[in-house]
Amino acid sequence: QITLRESGPTLVKPTQTLTLTCSFSGFSLTTPGVGVAWIRQPPGKTLEWLALIYWDDDKRYSVSLKSRLTITKDTSKNHVVLTMTNMEPADTGTYYCAQRPFYCTSTSCFDFWGQGTLVTVSS
Amino acid sequence: QSVLTQPPSASGSPGQSVTISCTGTSSDIGSYNYVSWYQQHPGKAPKLMIFDVTQRPSGVPDRFSGSKSGNTASLTVSGLQADDEADYYCSSYAGSNNVVFGGGTKLTVL
Repeated sequence: QITLRESGPTLVKPTQTLTLTCSFSGFSLTTPGVGVAWIRQPPGKTLEWLALIYWDDDKRYSVSLKSRLTITKDTSKNHVVLTMTNMEPADTGTYYCAQRPFYCTSTSCFDFWGQGTLVTVSS
Repeated sequence: QSVLTQPPSASGSPGQSVTISCTGTSSDIGSYNYVSWYQQHPGKAPKLMIFDVTQRPSGVPDRFSGSKSGNTASLTVSGLQADDEADYYCSSYAGSNNVVFGGGTKLTVL
């Protein structure tokens, strides 16, 4: 059974750096083709893809947010970490991590999702 | 403003079929067969319904089908059921390591 779970602060102040951890089980991030992505959703709005890291440590970032994002993995701990710098109120939303399975051929295919974690940016 | 354009709402009666469109450009949907569709119930995480334009993940009923023509992708839900009522989002690879989503369509089962 594949599960993912996001953890991190629920409240950050403007200009601070956000660090989120995705803890997963039921699959290995060493399996060819597998990746873990971060996607966020502001309240009442649509989804926004942020970043993706593949089994081979290949990393992909949203063009518009690339300068603020870093994604890393720790395969021994089954963790993927996302950091986002210089947070602002517009970054408020639910942050999800999701698995990109080996059977997908595209970067936009995420089959298993965490429950999401709500991050509020406010002073 | 989302990169991919979806109608804000769609509806149908139980048993009927509904089609939701997702319009992009020649830089995303038109260039790649990498369209996915997600279903999201209120307060829940999205669920993958269709990937690579037409493929269904294991466990997704065949009442859900996807297609693409030019710069527009479509999701058809046949034999509508009450539990199909949810928000549906399309997504596409857009080149240059970028993934874009649609604005979402709220499907109501009358």
